[in-house]
Amino acid sequence: QKEVEQNSGPLSVPEGAIASLNCTYSDRGSQSFFWYRQYSGKSPELIMSIYSNGDKEDGRFTAQLNKASQYVSLLIRDSQPSDSATYLCAVINTGGFKTIFGAGTRLFVKA
Amino acid sequence: GAVVSQHPSWVICKSGTSVKIECRSLDFQATTMFWYRQFPKQSLMLMATSNEGSKATYEQGVEKDKFLINHASLTLSTLTVTSAHPEDSSFYICSASGGQGATNEKLFFGSGTQLSVL
Repeated sequence: QKEVEQNSGPLSVPEGAIASLNCTYSDRGSQSFFWYRQYSGKSPELIMSIYSNGDKEDGRFTAQLNKASQYVSLLIRDSQPSDSATYLCAVINTGGFKTIFGAGTRLFVKA
Repeated sequence: GAVVSQHPSWVICKSGTSVKIECRSLDFQATTMFWYRQFPKQSLMLMATSNEGSKATYEQGVEKDKFLINHASLTLSTLTVTSAHPEDSSFYICSASGGQGATNEKLFFGSGTQLSVL
């Protein structure tokens, strides 16, 4: 079992729709969760961080965390073509600085 | 704040040569820096973790004698790919934690180095 799992996609949504990206993790003791966006040929950039169960909203982005289910998600409202990228779910493992990345979900937003 | 500079952006070298990649935190002191490698359409794979003034911790399967990491100061870490071969061609990315105003857990990435070994 991979430590952080994501559906590789591609996920295709029309412009203006809600894109829903999902992630599960295996380390039950993890406390810190992140979503990064990576454009092709570029390095990742941090979008959201979440540490507590529930929802966290920042502009068009909402991160959701359910530690009991070991599940993290990212919702992108009013999706734009510029949102087309690979979204990486990242989890910090128990007891350390090590950040474990999922394989990423490719998102295409069609104009 | 929390800017990480990585150089060079791309490098082409002949097989058997060594290549050094620099990673600098420009506006904060990075207590820990991480080196990742990413092959096309694959995720980031952590190669090693470096802490200022101590030896780097390498992930399983990463040859420490081939990928030399030096973290001599709180703002600079270097990765040297020694005797590079075509299979070492990849996108190498550094990241740092410890940015001002952020927790030590958030990672700030350099722009990456595309290495092509002929």
